[in-house]
Amino acid sequence: GEDVEQSLFLSVREGDSSVINCTYTDSSSTYLYWYKQEPGAGLQLLTYIFSNMDMKQDQRLTVLLNKKDKHLSLRIADTQTGDSAIYFCAESYGSDGGSTLGRLYFGRGTQLTVWP
Amino acid sequence: DVKVTQSSRYLVKRTGEKVFLECVQDMDHENMFWYRQDPGLGLRLIYFSYDVKMKEKGDIPEGYSVSREKKERFSLILESASTNQTSMYLCASSHTTGSAGNTGELFFGEGSRLTVL
Repeated sequence: GEDVEQSLFLSVREGDSSVINCTYTDSSSTYLYWYKQEPGAGLQLLTYIFSNMDMKQDQRLTVLLNKKDKHLSLRIADTQTGDSAIYFCAESYGSDGGSTLGRLYFGRGTQLTVWP
Repeated sequence: DVKVTQSSRYLVKRTGEKVFLECVQDMDHENMFWYRQDPGLGLRLIYFSYDVKMKEKGDIPEGYSVSREKKERFSLILESASTNQTSMYLCASSHTTGSAGNTGELFFGEGSRLTVL
């Protein structure tokens, strides 16, 4: 559960869809998360998906989970300039005793830039 | 409104000084964490604690120590600050997973940006 990979940069035009991709390694992760960090601020949970789900939709956000390929994606529809931020993918630790410690493993973050 | 509060948003210290970063949460969470964030490196875990007076090393504990005397408070200590500890420090807390309805979500503070000269 220690290698969470995501691309570092993504640029889109306002109104387009954004897709941020992530791969993780721990097949026993219970939850997978997307966090958003705006400039100068801490991280805020954007959405999460339970490992027995394939998809979760929440307004403009769609999360897709492919457990076979250990691939997670976040799609933002109708991207706005206010969506410009760093987006972090994270996985929970495995299903053994370590999971009770609540430790998450984070990717390096994808800087999303939205052009007007 | 749930809250994780970090005492200082910005600090400037000199090499060799002792630095205390304080974090308080009001959600009665068992787990608390200190991360540092550097451009291109993402979040790296320094220390975490799953109970009062308990602590566990994360991935980069060297040069740091922590203290958890009360459940709501988790302090990060730099015994002798060095320039390579210039960074953004993020505190987070969570409930122990497995509790009913608990997703293991981490709640973060706003961060403390430390500059060591």
